[in-house]
Amino acid sequence: QVQLVQSGSELKKPGASVKVSCKASGYTFTSYAMNWVRQAPGQGLEWMGWINTNTGNPTYAQGFTGRFVFSLDTSVSTAYLQISSLKAEDTAVYYCARDNGSGSFHPWGQGTLVTVSS
Amino acid sequence: QSALTQPASVSGSPGQSITISCTGTSSDVGGYNYVSWYQQHPGKAPKLMIYEVSNRPSGVSNRFSGSKSGNTASLTISGLQAEDEADYYCSSYTSSSAWVFGGGTKLTVL
Repeated sequence: QVQLVQSGSELKKPGASVKVSCKASGYTFTSYAMNWVRQAPGQGLEWMGWINTNTGNPTYAQGFTGRFVFSLDTSVSTAYLQISSLKAEDTAVYYCARDNGSGSFHPWGQGTLVTVSS
Repeated sequence: QSALTQPASVSGSPGQSITISCTGTSSDVGGYNYVSWYQQHPGKAPKLMIYEVSNRPSGVSNRFSGSKSGNTASLTISGLQAEDEADYYCSSYTSSSAWVFGGGTKLTVL
């Protein structure tokens, strides 16, 4: 079945970097774009942007430029989100979600909790 | 891009019907039929419930339906069940070639 499996929770200090992985299975990885969505504690969903899995070209939403980088390793059907110069306000659950080709996101990864604390 | 506007909470008794609204502008909800709805239980990932305004993915109960009028989309859940208690989010494509979510609605089944 179509599935996205993300890497485990991370605890980082302010100023450090983190790289979250999202491994796809059950479909041709390069046929569907991948999106990233943030959910801060107790808050709603926030679209971070997407990456074209065919060309590797990323598009970042407002507020997610500079410290956020989307990348791919198509040989292992995996998308990555890297966040540098971490701040306390980056503490959140980060989800990858496949663009379903119908203006929607399905499926979603299980989420990766990134905690930034000194 | 501002978040779409949803009521913070709605409630209903088992067996009743409820409707959650999602209000945007002509640059998002009103301009495109790419409105989708997601259900999220506590500690879980969101699940697609409705796509392209009114289409249900395979496996989603027909108790869930979607519609749109002007700049406002709606999700209706009929025959409420205890398992429907969750947070619900709408999403829309925008004229900025971006996606935007609503602020979320907490559904309580009384």
